[in-house]
Amino acid sequence: SQQGEEDPQALSIQEGENATMNCSYKTSINNLQWYRQNSGRGLVHLILIRSNEREKHSGRLRVTLDTSKKSSSLLITASRAADTASYFCATDLYGNKLVFGAGTILRVKS
Amino acid sequence: DTAVSQTPKYLVTQMGNDKSIKCEQNLGHDTMYWYKQDSKKFLKIMFSYNNKELIINETVPNRFSPKSPDKAHLNLHINSLELGDSAVYFCASWGLAGVTGELFFGEGSRLTVL
Repeated sequence: SQQGEEDPQALSIQEGENATMNCSYKTSINNLQWYRQNSGRGLVHLILIRSNEREKHSGRLRVTLDTSKKSSSLLITASRAADTASYFCATDLYGNKLVFGAGTILRVKS
Repeated sequence: DTAVSQTPKYLVTQMGNDKSIKCEQNLGHDTMYWYKQDSKKFLKIMFSYNNKELIINETVPNRFSPKSPDKAHLNLHINSLELGDSAVYFCASWGLAGVTGELFFGEGSRLTVL
């Protein structure tokens, strides 16, 4: 069954605004990862947060993790048109098995 | 140089046919995967091989048969194709980043069954 579920399913914002995507999962995890998929392309790893971490930053990306609520959020600040893509969270349950959510489609309008 | 490459990128075929998708990675990784992405973009793991050995086999019809001739290659053969097999199939390899790892994906192979 699906482990991660993203919310919202789709998000449309203006360039320069911040975009926040949420992910909920069901079981205990080793770590949680976020991936990006441009239209017609493969997924690309963005950022990883371990289960003992609460927040992590990478450039314009900020990820939070709340293991008590089994949820994570991805914030993209000062969005650009080039950020238009689908964003997926993936939970690492054990070893090297990643289970993906259904994704959030982000559209950034210029 | 493409790290994870899949061929073909597009595949259109009739129901009942047999087809194969090939995948190669030049990253030196030991573990490779096949994922299926449906029309709603839901990505589901199908198989995983570690150094030519099958380690993950999700609930996939036995019409799907992966083969790994060496750790750099993982091919997917599908027999008796059905309409529901239409999807984008992604190959990926697992690379370590410190004590954790991440997936490196190919560009996908879009299969359309008519």
